[in-house]
Amino acid sequence: ILNVEQSPQSLHVQEGDSTNFTCSFPSSNFYALHWYRWETAKSPEALFVMTLNGDEKKKGRISATLNTKEGYSYLYIKGSQPEDSATYLCAFNKGGSEKLVFGKGTKLTVNP
Amino acid sequence: NAGVMQNPRHLVRRRGQEARLRCSPMKGHSHVYWYRQLPEEGLKFMVYLQKENIIDESGMPKERFSAEFPKEGPSILRIQQVVRGDSAAYFCASFDRGNEKLFFGSGTQLSVL
Repeated sequence: ILNVEQSPQSLHVQEGDSTNFTCSFPSSNFYALHWYRWETAKSPEALFVMTLNGDEKKKGRISATLNTKEGYSYLYIKGSQPEDSATYLCAFNKGGSEKLVFGKGTKLTVNP
Repeated sequence: NAGVMQNPRHLVRRRGQEARLRCSPMKGHSHVYWYRQLPEEGLKFMVYLQKENIIDESGMPKERFSAEFPKEGPSILRIQQVVRGDSAAYFCASFDRGNEKLFFGSGTQLSVL
């Protein structure tokens, strides 16, 4: 059974705060790690797909890092805005498998 | 460029009836995933299909559930003899093998009375 763990489960921050959260996954037989943003009443949208150890991706104020040797990825949001409020999901893909396993997500609420 | 289309958005069935959920992937995508979201749970993998081929169905319950993706037409997730525990949101995602991202549909909310 593949375990993909995300922490914290939920997070409340003030507008302008920077924040980060964690995704943990099996460190063996790694292929790819995905991050998605899921806003209420919408569908999940892809943020990043990361495949290389040490990889860093950035999209506006959101960035992510990847450590495949120890099995974790961080997602960072700089200067949070209310529109960043969403559930952030990570998903793990192991080598030799097409199966993409999602964590339960971190629900971020940014208060104005 | 139309996105992933799922229908119906809401489906109500009585116990013992059949539920058919449809998913049309994005144009040019030939692979789809189906996921189920139970209340207070995350997205649980069900099945991964290519046109005319089931690639990984390890997340599908052994009985009553089946999925197909024919050469022509949408992918279908079929649930026979539904029970109340099947009530959930079912999401389809089409897979872009170029950038390896999933594009999700809006989901079908199945309610079993």
